[in-house]
Amino acid sequence: AAGVIQSPRHLIKEKRETATLKCYPIPRHDTVYWYQQGPGQDPQFLISFYEKMQSDKGSIPDRFSAQQFSDYHSELNMSSLELGDSALYFCASTARNTDTQYFGPGTRLTVL
Amino acid sequence: QKEVEQNSGPLSVPEGAIASLNCTYSDRGSQSFFWYRQYSGKSPELIMSIYSNGDKEDGRFTAQLNKASQYVSLLIRDSQPSDSATYLCAVTDSGYSTLTFGKGTMLLVSP
Repeated sequence: AAGVIQSPRHLIKEKRETATLKCYPIPRHDTVYWYQQGPGQDPQFLISFYEKMQSDKGSIPDRFSAQQFSDYHSELNMSSLELGDSALYFCASTARNTDTQYFGPGTRLTVL
Repeated sequence: QKEVEQNSGPLSVPEGAIASLNCTYSDRGSQSFFWYRQYSGKSPELIMSIYSNGDKEDGRFTAQLNKASQYVSLLIRDSQPSDSATYLCAVTDSGYSTLTFGKGTMLLVSP
């Protein structure tokens, strides 16, 4: 079965640079969630989109923005990167009228 | 603010034993409950979902929910070394809600 696709899988950036993470949900899934997981931490919700509109917002820094496109893929844009942004970033998707979230493999972001 | 509490562990069990993982949550409005398994550096993998009081079984896994006590548990029968991972309890309230995770319990199954 098709799963959530994330790219890139690994990303290394310098402080103050920008990064763009991409997420392709499972086909026919219309809701996308972004989570950040620091070392030894549980996943923290950042933001979600339903039908291309922001549906909920969590602890996402103002330096980050995201959107969902017409094909339902989503991008997380991160600017002015800080050392503390180094983490695993997961995208999850759900089908319409369900709340079971399926996670992608994640993007490991390292900020030097 | 919703809170989900889990013992961090590690919970050590011998191969073939039953592992019991527990989770409590603070929001009485929580509607949906999930157990995810996460290997180090990998993404959370859905193990079980449960929505109503009682037990739900799927293979070697049994989830138990008690909304009155705000308690959800996961039993793993015939534990295998490959079950060694961190188990995350997560809850949502309803609809297109986000997941609130516990900090996870590390399970170690020794051969």
